[in-house]
Amino acid sequence: GENVEQHPSTLSVQEGDSAVIKCTYSDSASNYFPWYKQELGKRPQLIIDIRSNVGEKKDQRIAVTLNKTAKHFSLHITETQPEDSAVYFCAAVGPSGTYKYIFGTGTRLKVLA
Amino acid sequence: DGGITQSPKYLFRKEGQNVTLSCEQNLNHDAMYWYRQDPGQGLRLIYYSQIVNDFQKGDIAEGYSVSREKKESFPLTVTSAQKNPTAFYLCASSRGTVNEQFFGPGTRLTVL
Repeated sequence: GENVEQHPSTLSVQEGDSAVIKCTYSDSASNYFPWYKQELGKRPQLIIDIRSNVGEKKDQRIAVTLNKTAKHFSLHITETQPEDSAVYFCAAVGPSGTYKYIFGTGTRLKVLA
Repeated sequence: DGGITQSPKYLFRKEGQNVTLSCEQNLNHDAMYWYRQDPGQGLRLIYYSQIVNDFQKGDIAEGYSVSREKKESFPLTVTSAQKNPTAFYLCASSRGTVNEQFFGPGTRLTVL
């Protein structure tokens, strides 16, 4: 069946450094790739997303890149801050009409002050 | 944080009991979803619904049931057949086919 592999499972960085989280998906028909941030005990919230017709998207300190050929997409956080500490989930969605999200297993990011 | 609500926030169940978790949204979204999250784990899909009166099983539907009688509501019943129901349950909704999912605040279910 479809799956999404996410790495690493935990990541510790010094404040101000960059963090990169990588996901690989199996269904080549997937066409929407969101990233969610979940703080402890809270609900997941969308931080950035990308569609299959775009290779890169940036929003301030956060960027996502997509390589459809390799079925691979990545989250990049620059100038990390303590409030970036959370669990991050990637997902692959589609094909169109299925409404089904396939989530990665999550990455726990710790930003050390 | 408004738009999709879940109740109760905490729920305690005795073994052998059925319990129902509420999920309501006022976002006019067609699609609604239920996920289970265990400590330190990802999101596993229990059931999802694309339209009223229609729903599909997700990856871990055994021991759970749902209904979708109204667009705004998608309650989840955890039955006594679910052997290990202690978990954090998240409801979500989305507009259209491939769009952002909005999550509710979650219900933490504990079996006593």
